[in-house]
Amino acid sequence: ETVLTQSPDTLSLSPGETATLSCRASQSLRDSLVWYQQKPGQAPRLLIYDASNRATGVPARFSGSGSGTDFTLTISSLEPEDFAIYYCQQRPNWPPGTFGQGTKVEIK
Amino acid sequence: QVQLVQSGAEVKKPGSSVKVSCTASGGTFNTHAILWVRQAPGKGLEWMGGIIPMFHTTTYAQNFQARVTITADESTTTVYMALTNLGSDDSGTYYCSSHVYGSRKSEDWGQGTRITVAS
Repeated sequence: ETVLTQSPDTLSLSPGETATLSCRASQSLRDSLVWYQQKPGQAPRLLIYDASNRATGVPARFSGSGSGTDFTLTISSLEPEDFAIYYCQQRPNWPPGTFGQGTKVEIK
Repeated sequence: QVQLVQSGAEVKKPGSSVKVSCTASGGTFNTHAILWVRQAPGKGLEWMGGIIPMFHTTTYAQNFQARVTITADESTTTVYMALTNLGSDDSGTYYCSSHVYGSRKSEDWGQGTRITVAS
């Protein structure tokens, strides 16, 4: 089973700064990776699919990159509503797979 | 876009079973894949399994394979997730999500169902 490890666990930043989140897989996923945002009391929201494509309605300040075993989610110029927990998940066409443990982006 | 409405919160005894429903409206149910994800209080997301109704195909995560069953009733556009032999560590919020099979550019989520396992 492929294990996803996210880093860091917590990122403390100020609005307007850039957040860089990492997700590392224990074996190659090619580009089969998605990123989610989750706020307290809410269901997750899909941000990025196939490692680098923004999901429908996602602002351009969110971008994804990487392939194989190393992936990055970048949030440029953090807005107040971006402070949340972010998860990566392995997502080949079928079946889906495990999630990373999450990275919390908090206000510094 | 598909709207997903899940059944309400439940309190269960250890060793019992639970069945959570996820009813879809709008969109074309049969072309979608429905997934289930669990989140223990204060913890991360855990993928449990999923179903593709048009292919009558189900898949389960290794950690849940022995205890979970996912089924679909196409006549009512409802997917069910049944979990047996509940323990206290099964307490949490259970979510269903839906996306068009073969496409990952958008997906919809249910509101979540809170399950509490306590004696």
